[in-house]
Amino acid sequence: GAGVSQSPRYKVAKRGQDVALRCDPISGHVSLFWYQQALGQGPEFLTYFQNEAQLDKSGLPSDRFFAERPEGSVSTLKIQRTQQEDSAVYLCASRDSGRAVETQYFGPGTRLLVL
Amino acid sequence: DQQVKQNSPSLSVQEGRISILNCDYTNSMFDYFLWYKKYPAEGPTFLISISSIKDKNEDGRFTVFLNKSAKHLSLHIVPSQPGDSAVYFCAASPLDFGNEKLTFGTGTRLTIIP
Repeated sequence: GAGVSQSPRYKVAKRGQDVALRCDPISGHVSLFWYQQALGQGPEFLTYFQNEAQLDKSGLPSDRFFAERPEGSVSTLKIQRTQQEDSAVYLCASRDSGRAVETQYFGPGTRLLVL
Repeated sequence: DQQVKQNSPSLSVQEGRISILNCDYTNSMFDYFLWYKKYPAEGPTFLISISSIKDKNEDGRFTVFLNKSAKHLSLHIVPSQPGDSAVYFCAASPLDFGNEKLTFGTGTRLTIIP
């Protein structure tokens, strides 16, 4: 079956521009996570949804970052007024249930470069 | 503060030999540990996991060992194959409902030499 998909795969933005990154989770998956991976680092947690409810947004680095999942399926991560330090790969993952013992399945990521 | 540490950024192993990747953690609230494998331009792919009630989990060529008292886990791959060349991330999570985010290490790049 289809895995997690993300679009666009690559995005170049000018500093100050707003960007929107899309995640299509595996169909029926309840939980959805966003992670940020800087060069040479491991993925770092940004935010977590269970269905349409955003249960944890403690990893969002500033109020310029906003995520939504209005119908409990597709999610969008929006970054306003992008800065150079926002350059990273943004990974989305989905999971079948709300239990931690279920595996998180990752998408290929969106590579964002802010000039 | 890095709660999950992979102190070896890279490792080279001869094909057919055993690869051992190590991971240390500091947060005693972690109950569930995972290894992910990542190829360039792809997302991380789940490899194997272990919960804190076990000290070993095996799946084919892959075995994960957990030493809770030392807060240390390791991934053994035997025999190593060229397709195992990738970056390996250790990750950890508590098992509290609503707090299931994964905390990752910085990764170890494994190169299998033919």
